[in-house]
Amino acid sequence: LAKTTQPISMDSYEGQEVNITCSHNNIATNDYITWYQQFPSQGPRFIIQGYKTKVTNEVASLFIPADRKSSTLSLPRVSLSDTAVYYCLVGGSSASKIIFGSGTRLSIRP
Amino acid sequence: DTAVSQTPKYLVTQMGNDKSIKCEQNLGHDTMYWYKQDSKKFLKIMFSYNNKELIINETVPNRFSPKSPDKAHLNLHINSLELGDSAVYFCASSQEGAWISGNTIYFGEGSWLTVV
Repeated sequence: LAKTTQPISMDSYEGQEVNITCSHNNIATNDYITWYQQFPSQGPRFIIQGYKTKVTNEVASLFIPADRKSSTLSLPRVSLSDTAVYYCLVGGSSASKIIFGSGTRLSIRP
Repeated sequence: DTAVSQTPKYLVTQMGNDKSIKCEQNLGHDTMYWYKQDSKKFLKIMFSYNNKELIINETVPNRFSPKSPDKAHLNLHINSLELGDSAVYFCASSQEGAWISGNTIYFGEGSWLTVV
């Protein structure tokens, strides 16, 4: 099972772009990379998923280098409401093998 | 409509009691899970059921017993509650099989269990 490593916490200010990097050195060929967001008192919520190169949706972008041993979640122009814990997960053909790490606690200041 | 719903949201009970948390998903998924999030916010999988059959059972005391009457429901029963069982328990569901774009895990809002 691929393990992930990400910073415990990050701080930023409203309007800035925030990049959170996750390391997954033993990612397997079939593994996708998925990011979840968790607000206090709520369950985690899917943000974005990718396999290689770059993926973009209305919320974020996900950059994955060619070796796929890391990935970077990019949040453009963050606001106070982006304050949350962000989890990087790696998993392949079985969703039941997905493991949540400790996540990155992102704090956005005015 | 809530995709994954669990009840109760808050539960305060005494040590030694037996309690249950119920979960239902209306997404048509064939896999359901129970996760535990402790005070340090680590989110750990406890159980996974696929089409009513247990497929993952992590190192969890046998006081915890999941029950899946059908693939849309996965309840968690806890016997002889202990102080250390205090945590947030999340139910979740997903479509099993190969991960394709958008195939993800959907979580409920959580059940806050406090054992006193």
